[in-house]
Amino acid sequence: AQSVTQLDSQVPVFEEAPVELRCNYSSSVSVYLFWYVQYPNQGLQLLLKYLSGSTLVKGINGFEAEFNKSQTSFHLRKPSVHISDTAEYFCAADNTDKLIFGTGTRLQVFP
Amino acid sequence: DTEVTQTPKHLVMGMTNKKSLKCEQHMGHRAMYWYKQKAKKPPELMFVYSYEKLSINESVPSRFSPECPNSSLLNLHLHALQPEDSALYLCASSHTEGQANYGYTFGSGTRLTVV
Repeated sequence: AQSVTQLDSQVPVFEEAPVELRCNYSSSVSVYLFWYVQYPNQGLQLLLKYLSGSTLVKGINGFEAEFNKSQTSFHLRKPSVHISDTAEYFCAADNTDKLIFGTGTRLQVFP
Repeated sequence: DTEVTQTPKHLVMGMTNKKSLKCEQHMGHRAMYWYKQKAKKPPELMFVYSYEKLSINESVPSRFSPECPNSSLLNLHLHALQPEDSALYLCASSHTEGQANYGYTFGSGTRLTVV
């Protein structure tokens, strides 16, 4: 069965510091991987996606992620965070017609 | 148009009421989804429609009844809900081509409170 693991439920970081949000997936077949951001009382916004090709994927708002097949990981990174990046981040995987979410990581950016 | 529009944004209903949630997209997507999200939890899949036919029902109670009148619209009919059904209900759509899925677009959700 396919699953997505986000080991960090919360990540506190100071403004302008770099951040990495970790995501691991388990699957015996090719997967499509996504990172979504959810601001309070809002829906989900797509940050970036990996479907195929280059393993380094660049997304919106300065975020990027690297697909690592050998480590079954898809970690999200940003070199310098802003207060406005405070939100919930979900990693998700899809290899059929279903999108499976990780449990989410709360990124809290402090001034 | 690259959005999924959900109405209403907020809904308060009693346990004996009947109400409907509406979702609309004009991106030509042929798959549409309903998700339920409780506070501080990830979205949970409820239903999937593919080419206007129900393809997945994740064992959702019958008090939730989905409907796909056409390729642009998805409704969720609610009847005799319980307070524990209070949640954010998210609609999503995707363009599916063969085995490739080019990503999902989510609406901003309907915040449902059952009293």
